[in-house]
Amino acid sequence: RKEVEQDPGPFNVPEGATVAFNCTYSNSASQSFFWYRQDCRKEPKLLMSVYSSGNEDGRFTAQLNRASQYISLLIRDSKLSDSATYLCVVNTGGFKTIFGAGTRLFVKA
Amino acid sequence: DAGITQSPRYKITETGRQVTLMCHQTWSHSYMFWYRQDLGHGLRLIYYSAAADITDKGEVPDGYVVSRSKTENFPLTLESATRSQTSVYFCASSESNRVADTEAFFGQGTRLTVV
Repeated sequence: RKEVEQDPGPFNVPEGATVAFNCTYSNSASQSFFWYRQDCRKEPKLLMSVYSSGNEDGRFTAQLNRASQYISLLIRDSKLSDSATYLCVVNTGGFKTIFGAGTRLFVKA
Repeated sequence: DAGITQSPRYKITETGRQVTLMCHQTWSHSYMFWYRQDLGHGLRLIYYSAAADITDKGEVPDGYVVSRSKTENFPLTLESATRSQTSVYFCASSESNRVADTEAFFGQGTRLTVV
């Protein structure tokens, strides 16, 4: 079993839709959680951190469920520009940062 | 320009050849990392460096060598390239060794094909 697992998708949604991604992690000692965004043939870039209390950044909401060991990303009012691959990132301490394989999102007009 | 740059962006090499991928950052970040990204896998850590002359293995170090004589440079060498090393390689830098604790900045990637 992979340490960090994501549904690879692709998720195909119309503009304006709400879409949610989940990511599960296996190490209960994991300490930090993040979502990165990667555009096609580009480098990953930090989208947002995931805090225990949940956090929101505009149309994006991230949540952490330690009991069930998953994090989620909710995107409201999807835009064409949201089309990308979303990487779940889990840090278990030190340099041990695990990147998920990513979930592909296509937003269509 | 400030940032992290990788070179070359694209490279085709033959099996058995030695090839070096370059990474240069201008932020004076302490930590630098090399990842490879393959279809179906996340980014997997090859090597990382905490400072000049300090390097350590990551998850998939076999077949790779790194050095860091200067803070700003972190070259990755494939000693004898194999087809399984065909991949996209990303260099990253961060103020923290917890890459996801503080923002990690990635280079644009090097697409390496071993034929």
